[in-house]
Amino acid sequence: DAKTTQPPSMDCAEGRAANLPCNHSTISGNEYVYWYRQIHSQGPQYIIHGLKNNETNEMASLIITEDRKSSTLILPHATLRDTAVYYCIVRGHSSGSRLTFGEGTQLTVNP
Amino acid sequence: DTGVSQDPRHKITKRGQNVTFRCDPISEHNRLYWYRQTLGQGPEFLTYFQNEAQLEKSRLLSDRFSAERPKGSFSTLEIQRTEQGDSAMYLCASSLGLDTQYFGPGTRLTVL
Repeated sequence: DAKTTQPPSMDCAEGRAANLPCNHSTISGNEYVYWYRQIHSQGPQYIIHGLKNNETNEMASLIITEDRKSSTLILPHATLRDTAVYYCIVRGHSSGSRLTFGEGTQLTVNP
Repeated sequence: DTGVSQDPRHKITKRGQNVTFRCDPISEHNRLYWYRQTLGQGPEFLTYFQNEAQLEKSRLLSDRFSAERPKGSFSTLEIQRTEQGDSAMYLCASSLGLDTQYFGPGTRLTVL
């Protein structure tokens, strides 16, 4: 699976959009981009995933660049409860398909 | 609640003791994964099952660790002769085939 690079930390004001970047320059054509988040001492929570097209669900939007070498997770109206570590993971759908977590981005939403 | 459940949520044990954790996946999910997470790090893959078959094990899974999923439903992870380095959060996830993995709340192990 391709390696990902994320900034170690970001801050965002409550009510504003949080834009979390991820670089995955070695991604291959059949690999998906997944985003999870982990609030302190809880299990990781699935947010969204995509292959080529932009995706949106009730939690967030995922914007993938045309060359697929980077992506951005957008939380449109961040709340204090969105404070968490956000993990960007590239995952191929091979037979095993373990998730390989990096160190993620610590997002802090400030009042 | 139809999510992944894990039991116990917290376990404190003395070095040298054996411990066993249980994971109940989402009911229709045929794949079950175990991960371990130490403080300040992201989760690391340990092993996974498809139905009752254990198909992959990480080199992190030493001989003291054993996992089972006897009927293809719940799974247990046993650690024998625990060491202080085993202190971590043990996470279980499940999926339907290659679809999205959903995680449980984890079991936090502290070895004194």
